[in-house]
Amino acid sequence: DAGITQSPRHKVTETGTPVTLRCHQTENHRYMYWYRQDPGHGLRLIHYSYGVKDTDKGEVSDGYSVSRSKTEDFLLTLESATSSQTSVYFCATIGSGTQYFGPGTRLLVL
Amino acid sequence: TQLLEQSPQFLSIQEGENLTVYCNSSSVFSSLQWYRQEPGEGPVLLVTVVTGGEVKKLKRLTFQFGDARKDSSLHITAAQPGDTGLYLCAGDPGNQFYFGTGTSLTVIP
Repeated sequence: DAGITQSPRHKVTETGTPVTLRCHQTENHRYMYWYRQDPGHGLRLIHYSYGVKDTDKGEVSDGYSVSRSKTEDFLLTLESATSSQTSVYFCATIGSGTQYFGPGTRLLVL
Repeated sequence: TQLLEQSPQFLSIQEGENLTVYCNSSSVFSSLQWYRQEPGEGPVLLVTVVTGGEVKKLKRLTFQFGDARKDSSLHITAAQPGDTGLYLCAGDPGNQFYFGTGTSLTVIP
């Protein structure tokens, strides 16, 4: 357990609205990740960060942006949510070679 | 395109049986990890293998990394209901982790 919390845990929103998911960690880990998990696809990397204000794209970054203004917080924004972004979103950090995951955010876009 | 293929996708067995889950790829990985995920929770790391041919044991679980570092297997001996969950492999080709589609295991008492 790396002290990772995610908020909100559940969210229902409408197509076209902006959505921001928050990941907070207490272990001062440098690397942080955002994944989405969908049936038949496993976990897919959206964006990751290797330090404050240092981010890079993952496998499925289209439609998503991220920001990291503090070591402990990593925000994922859906600028204009679409139904294809309905998913479970997981935040993760890496410490001592171990990847730790948060509890997830279940997002439904109607 | 799925970088890592896991098989089988679903597995339902009786308590006490043995099973093997496979994780295959055409890519070479610097390391490969196995996770278990329970409903409503994030994945939890079970093991990391880094050397081709490496075998690691975790109680009744045996993990093997292929000689060419392209594939891995997870063998569970005498499965118990507590082993029920989604098993995920994840490979690191050098810059980020790619996850397999997962194997959903149900162990029936």
